[in-house]
Amino acid sequence: EVQLVESGGGLVQPGGSLRLSCAASGFTFSSYDMHWVRQATGKGLEWVSAIGTAGDPYYPGSVKGRFTISRENAKNSLYLQMNSLRAGDTAVYYCARDVGLSILDVWGKGTTVTVSS
Amino acid sequence: SSELTQDPAVSVALGQTVRITCQGDSLRSYYASWYQQKPGQAPVLVIYGKNNRPSGIPDRFSGSSSGNTASLTITGAQAEDEADYYCNSRDSSGNLYVVFGGGTKLTVL
Repeated sequence: EVQLVESGGGLVQPGGSLRLSCAASGFTFSSYDMHWVRQATGKGLEWVSAIGTAGDPYYPGSVKGRFTISRENAKNSLYLQMNSLRAGDTAVYYCARDVGLSILDVWGKGTTVTVSS
Repeated sequence: SSELTQDPAVSVALGQTVRITCQGDSLRSYYASWYQQKPGQAPVLVIYGKNNRPSGIPDRFSGSSSGNTASLTITGAQAEDEADYYCNSRDSSGNLYVVFGGGTKLTVL
């Protein structure tokens, strides 16, 4: 079964850091581009970052310079290092598999990040 | 970066047909994908490409595109189709940049 499982969420103070992980199983992880997408309570989906099969990262302006996406193919794992966190980063963070042209066909259940003092 | 625009809310009578639209410049270059999200759950891909359904998605879901507008049509809406629907596409700048629509809340009456 193709599966993505996120972990690492929690409560962090403004300005703090957190590292999210996404464990992939049931498919050849190294062959796929991967994404992080977040959703604040009651809000829509927001793309957070992507990483290509060659390890090339992509970010929107809202997180560029603060977030770092990475992957470890030997461990079938995707990561998101989040620094300088703000209240506006509070959301459920999903990892998702890209089967081409930003078609996200498999999603994890998400992990919740709360930035609050 | 590009933006995708969706109507915030749409309603449909049980068994009737409803169309949810998504507009944006990126759709002139890339097809939209559509995702269904029910409360407390992760999004689920329902339509991708020209008009393709992943395995397990009912054939009452279909997609179309013209110019800068993509549409998701549900023919014979069921109570279980009540959900939020999001479109997305690759950003006009290409590579792996992604843009999402703001979402449409579908109510089945």
